[in-house]
Order: sequence, then C-alpha cells, then structure tokens
Amino acid sequence: DAGVIQSPRHEVTEMGQEVTLRCKPISGHDYLFWYRQTMMRGLELLIYFNNNVPIDDSGMPEDRFSAKMPNASFSTLKIQPSEPRDSAVYFCASSLALLGGTSFGDGTRLSIL
Amino acid sequence: GQQLNQSPQSMFIQEGEDVSMNCTSSSIFNTWLWYKQDPGEGPVLLIALYKAGELTSNGRLTAQFGITRKDSFLNISASIPSDVGIYFCAGQLTSGTYKYIFGTGTRLKVLA
Repeated sequence: DAGVIQSPRHEVTEMGQEVTLRCKPISGHDYLFWYRQTMMRGLELLIYFNNNVPIDDSGMPEDRFSAKMPNASFSTLKIQPSEPRDSAVYFCASSLALLGGTSFGDGTRLSIL
Repeated sequence: GQQLNQSPQSMFIQEGEDVSMNCTSSSIFNTWLWYKQDPGEGPVLLIALYKAGELTSNGRLTAQFGITRKDSFLNISASIPSDVGIYFCAGQLTSGTYKYIFGTGTRLKVLA
C-alpha cells in the first residue's frame, strides 16, 4: 500500500521566494496533518484538516504560511515570502480517525538561503 | 513551543541489552504515543496508550502510561542493530483534539 507521499523531498530556494509543499495522504484517511521539525523546536503541529476542512491552524507560525486541502487526496503548504528561519523538515501525516495510528510521509527538507 | 522532557537524550548500548527511556511533564495527558524515526524518514508509530496505568507491548517494545498521567515509559528488550534511531514520545493534553506535544527525542545507538 502506498503511504503518505510528499513532494518535493528537498527544496533549496532563496529568501523571498514562494515555496509550495505537496502531500497526498493515504487513501481513505480523513485526517491530514502538517508538522515542522527543527533541532531547536522539535516536532510541531502546524495545522490539521478533517474531511478537507481546516480544524486547528493555531500552530501556523505567521500569515506567511497557508495550507489548503482542495480534495481528499491532496494538500499543499505554502510559504510566501520564505525566510531563512523557515528552514526545517516539513512532514505531512494522515490518519483514519482521531485516535487512530498516524502515518507520516518522509518529509520535505526545506532550506531557505 | 511546549515540549515534553524526554530522557535520556542519547544512549549507546550493546546489542542484546535492554533499553529504557521516559517522558515526563508537569501537565496531565489523556493519551501517550511512542514513535521511532529513522534518518531521512518520518516518525513511525510504535505504541499508543489511552489509560493511566496501561501497559502495552509491541514485540520487544513495552510502554506504560504513568499512573499520575504525567509520564510514560518505553522499554526495548534484547536490543538489535535495527533499533537504532530516534524515539519520540507524544502526549495529548485535551481529548477530542489532535494537538500532540512531542518530546525532545532519545537517540539510540546500538553497538553490535
């Protein structure tokens, strides 16, 4: 079975540029999560969706960050404009139920120069 | 952001030895999860705990939900080289939400 698929795996761009991270959750999963992982702050939940609707975006750091889920099989996390402090590994994850096992993608390693 | 205190931060052990790690907090949690993360990959859920005092096993792994609900423990018996990785605990503060606070991680290295 295909797991959570994220793209790109790596992204290097200059500050000020728009960055779009993509995620395809596991088919049938109704919860989708975006996390950010850094050495300083560890794993942080940015936002999560239930049935394509954003439920809690209180972890989104600034207005420069936005996330969408136009359908059950696709989500994007966008940063515009990007800054060097946005450099991190961004994970997408999905689950079938609120207390179900969460499956993580392999992450996008983002470097903002 | 808020993080759980996880210890030890890192450990080297000999293959075949048992491993213990824990997470503690001043807050009370409703659910505890334990994950393992390999380099270049996302965390993989190992064990989920839903009740205070609960003891759950998954193969050589055993985890317990502390009776005070402020801590959790993970034990790995008879470690093998593929146990190498970073282990994270995650606690859920409030029921009905998927906001989990993650621990700082325990980096495990197994010497063959």
